[in-house]
Amino acid sequence: AQSVTQLGSHVSVSEGALVLLRCNYSSSVPPYLFWYVQYPNQGLQLLLKYTSAATLVKGINGFEAEFKKSETSFHLTKPSAHMSDAAEYFCAGGAGNTPLVFGKGTRLSVIA
Amino acid sequence: DAGVIQSPRHEVTEMGQEVTLRCKPISGHNSLFWYRQTMMRGLELLIYFNNNVPIDDSGMPEDRFSAKMPNASFSTLKIQPSEPRDSAVYFCASRSQGVGEKLFFGSGTQLSVL
Repeated sequence: AQSVTQLGSHVSVSEGALVLLRCNYSSSVPPYLFWYVQYPNQGLQLLLKYTSAATLVKGINGFEAEFKKSETSFHLTKPSAHMSDAAEYFCAGGAGNTPLVFGKGTRLSVIA
Repeated sequence: DAGVIQSPRHEVTEMGQEVTLRCKPISGHNSLFWYRQTMMRGLELLIYFNNNVPIDDSGMPEDRFSAKMPNASFSTLKIQPSEPRDSAVYFCASRSQGVGEKLFFGSGTQLSVL
């Protein structure tokens, strides 16, 4: 069965600093992995998606994530944080045509 | 496309009242999902449909909750009777049926049961 674990419910970085949000998955089959972002009072929006075509996936707003099978990880990074990146970030995974399983989310704060 | 449309955006009701949440998925999407989001539990899958047929409702918390999808362009989630612990944000999401397809979310309904 698929499960997704996000390490750290809250991450705080300074503006311009590296953003690293951690996600680990467990799956008995090759997974499909996603990162979603949720701004206040909005629904979730897709940041990026991994479907085995390439291990390094680039998404919107300068975010990228690297799939590492040996570590069962799919961490989200951005080289330089911007104030507008402050939001809740969700890692999600699925296998086959099953519903996505979401992590509990990580709230990113960006300090000026 | 207008995206996934949910109504109402906000609902305030009193305990014991019936609540109906509505969702219009993206045209052409044949899978629809209802999620509930709370601080304590995060994002929980309540029920999902493929081609208007309920596939898995094991996430529905109690018999007070019911969901229908009478056609490909409309779904409802009903709570009767509502209780204060049902207060949450309810999201509807849709996607094409296929391996690895991405999920599109509505803006959610903020439900407050007093």
